[in-house]
Amino acid sequence: DTGVSQDPRHKITKRGQNVTFRCDPISEHNRLYWYRQTLGQGPEFLTYFQNEAQLEKSRLLSDRFSAERPKGSFSTLEIQRTEQGDSAMYLCASSLLTSGRNIQYFGAGTRLSVL
Amino acid sequence: DQQVKQNSPSLSVQEGRISILNCDYTNSMFDYFLWYKKYPAEGPTFLISISSIKDKNEDGRFTVFLNKSAKHLSLHIVPSQPGDSAVYFCAARNNAGNMLTFGGGTRLMVKP
Repeated sequence: DTGVSQDPRHKITKRGQNVTFRCDPISEHNRLYWYRQTLGQGPEFLTYFQNEAQLEKSRLLSDRFSAERPKGSFSTLEIQRTEQGDSAMYLCASSLLTSGRNIQYFGAGTRLSVL
Repeated sequence: DQQVKQNSPSLSVQEGRISILNCDYTNSMFDYFLWYKKYPAEGPTFLISISSIKDKNEDGRFTVFLNKSAKHLSLHIVPSQPGDSAVYFCAARNNAGNMLTFGGGTRLMVKP
């Protein structure tokens, strides 16, 4: 089991550019989550998928943010027209929905810096 | 509105002693609570959890206590080791079972 993998680990971009991050969950995990973490804060929930269905997206920060999980495996998070306030760590987590625990396991994150 | 709060941003403990990290919550719909540990440049690592139907869960050196009436939980680490030095996050899950709501974290420093 290789754990949750995120790519890239770091992304530096200029304001106004679009960026896309990728997350590969633990194999056979059917749920995938995206969080954002800013300095000195805990992770903040953005959206999640069960298989390929996006079941919650009201917490995405603006309409510039979108996420996909086309085949129920890896997922991408896109930010369009980036702003300096988008600079943060973007974390992906996955879990296996069974009765009881449903523990979320996190990747190492993608650190975004918007200049 | 912070639904999960960790009021101590940092804690320093001597090696071998007990570390107690605290967490308060406000939402009565939370039914499952988790502690994560985070080292620099890594993602949060799951440590221990507790269901709202229990008041204690123990795993080796780590014990989590839940006081539902006070909406308070705590993580006890005994004995503390220098390798435990990290940021600890308390998280709560609602009964829909999807999103986690995190506290702001407590930085634990265990001194040799």
